[in-house]
Amino acid sequence: QKEVEQNSGPLSVPEGAIASLNCTYSDRGSQSFFWYRQYSGKSPELIMSIYSNGDKEDGRFTAQLNKASQYVSLLIRDSQPSDSATYLCAVGANSGNTPLVFGKGTRLSVIA
Amino acid sequence: GAGVSQSPSNKVTEKGKDVELRCDPISGHTALYWYRQSLGQGLEFLIYFQGNSAPDKSGLPSDRFSAERTGGSVSTLTIQRTQQEDSAVYLCASSLEAFYGYTFGSGTRLTVV
Repeated sequence: QKEVEQNSGPLSVPEGAIASLNCTYSDRGSQSFFWYRQYSGKSPELIMSIYSNGDKEDGRFTAQLNKASQYVSLLIRDSQPSDSATYLCAVGANSGNTPLVFGKGTRLSVIA
Repeated sequence: GAGVSQSPSNKVTEKGKDVELRCDPISGHTALYWYRQSLGQGLEFLIYFQGNSAPDKSGLPSDRFSAERTGGSVSTLTIQRTQQEDSAVYLCASSLEAFYGYTFGSGTRLTVV
């Protein structure tokens, strides 16, 4: 059973701070890793993908991957109240269309 | 279309009735997935279609659930004899290849009363 684990939160950070969201996965053969943002009552939106060990930056978002530790993280710099949402970690196989496995998500609250 | 389109956006049905949920994927996306999300819960995989291959039905929770995809495009998820525990948001997603992530539709909120 492939599993993706996330702390459910809520994670509360003050506006302007760095929010750090973490995810671990069980399938050592996983090769693709994603962060989705889901606002309340809305569907998930892909915000970051990462495939290689290390960091990947996109604006205020940085995804970090450590395959040896089976660990993925998302850093949000200069957090804004509009970042308040549930963040879902998803993990996929190395190719093809095997469905992604999702974590249950971490709820982030950015306090103004 | 520009995005994944799902209809209806909301459906209220009586227990025991059948319902059909529709998904129109992004044009050219060969893979199509159905998930459901119960209140406060994570995403539960239901079924996926890849081109003309036989669908992976491994996530369907019971034989009351079925899905088809016509012409490699539009998909319909059918729930027969609905139960209250079927109440959830049903999400459809499509992709060229899951390795690059996929795009979700806005979902159908199903309420069984």
